[in-house]
Amino acid sequence: KAGVTQTPRYLIKTRGQQVTLSCSPISGHRSVSWYQQTPGQGLQFLFEYFSETQRNKGNFPGRFSGRQFSNSRSEMNVSTLELGDSALYLCASSWTSGGRDTQYFGPGTRLTVL
Amino acid sequence: GQQLNQSPQSMFIQEGEDVSMNCTSSSIFNTWLWYKQDPGEGPVLLIALYKAGELTSNGRLTAQFGITRKDSFLNISASIPSDVGIYFCAGRNTGTASKLTFGTGTRLQVTL
Repeated sequence: KAGVTQTPRYLIKTRGQQVTLSCSPISGHRSVSWYQQTPGQGLQFLFEYFSETQRNKGNFPGRFSGRQFSNSRSEMNVSTLELGDSALYLCASSWTSGGRDTQYFGPGTRLTVL
Repeated sequence: GQQLNQSPQSMFIQEGEDVSMNCTSSSIFNTWLWYKQDPGEGPVLLIALYKAGELTSNGRLTAQFGITRKDSFLNISASIPSDVGIYFCAGRNTGTASKLTFGTGTRLQVTL
């Protein structure tokens, strides 16, 4: 089975621009979660989508949004970029069985905001 | 945002030595996961723990889910150079779907 894929791997934007990141989960996984990783804050949960619905949301401003399509692929959008949005954005897909939920991460998208 | 307390922050050990790291939380979790992350890559799942007291091994790695459900530890036996990387613990509650709360990470460096 192919793993979680994320595109693009690297992105450079300037302040005020917006950006869209894409994530394709492992085949059969219906849940996709997004995380932001920075040296100062570590790995922080952004949101989770399950069957095209946002199921959980972290403490990030409304500039961060996402969506999930019927094929479980997910996109994350950040509007009006700020310097502090520079980070590694990670997507994880998960499969739940018998109450056990195991998350597998993609390689991430490295976003640099200038 | 919340992060779990993970210690030590970094370790510099010799090849062949055993390594131990732990993670503590002020909250209870129903699942503990341990990941390893190499530079520029996403975390790779090492071990998943689903029940308090559970002890699980994966090759040279052994992890335990604390009885109080507020802590977990990871042991690596007979370390090798490819064990180098950052190790993260992560906790999850059933009520918060797939949301993981991560530890601050343990950076492991192994010398020959």
